[in-house]
Amino acid sequence: KAGVTQTPRYLIKTRGQQVTLSCSPISGHRSVSWYQQTPGQGLQFLFEYFSETQRNKGNFPGRFSGRQFSNSRSEMNVSTLELGDSALYLCASSLDTRGGGEQFFGPGTRLTVL
Amino acid sequence: DQQVKQNSPSLSVQEGRISILNCDYTNSMFDYFLWYKKYPAEGPTFLISISSIKDKNEDGRFTVFLNKSAKHLSLHIVPSQPGDSAVYFCAATGFGNEKLTFGTGTRLTIIP
Repeated sequence: KAGVTQTPRYLIKTRGQQVTLSCSPISGHRSVSWYQQTPGQGLQFLFEYFSETQRNKGNFPGRFSGRQFSNSRSEMNVSTLELGDSALYLCASSLDTRGGGEQFFGPGTRLTVL
Repeated sequence: DQQVKQNSPSLSVQEGRISILNCDYTNSMFDYFLWYKKYPAEGPTFLISISSIKDKNEDGRFTVFLNKSAKHLSLHIVPSQPGDSAVYFCAATGFGNEKLTFGTGTRLTIIP
């Protein structure tokens, strides 16, 4: 079974631009979560989607948004990029066991904002 | 407010010995705990988990212990191998919640 895939793997943008990151979950997984990893803050939860609906949201500004498609693929968008948005963005999928089952992570997208 | 804490940023252990990684949490609503291992330029890989109804879970060389009264869990790796060198993250979640709250990680280095 193929793992979680994320595209692109690396991205360089400038302040004020916007960016869209893509995630394809493991086949059969319906829950997709996004995390931001930075050296100072560690891994922080952005949001979770299930059946095309945002089910959970972390403490990030409205510039961060996402969506999920009917095939469970997900995208996240960051508008008006700031230098502090430079981070590794990780996507994770799970079967949605509703019991805190394990999440499987993709390799991440490394975003650099100049 | 750091709800999941890993107070040791790094740990060095001799190959073949036991590695013990610690994690503390503050949120009483957490009832499921996971350990992930992360290599550079890769996403975290699930290692082992434990539900709050248990105090121990074992999988091969990895054992996780949970002390609910102390809000503390630990990961034991025996014996430690060079391939275990990585950053280890402790994570916690509540029942019915897919959101994982992560600790800041502990970098484990196994010395040959």
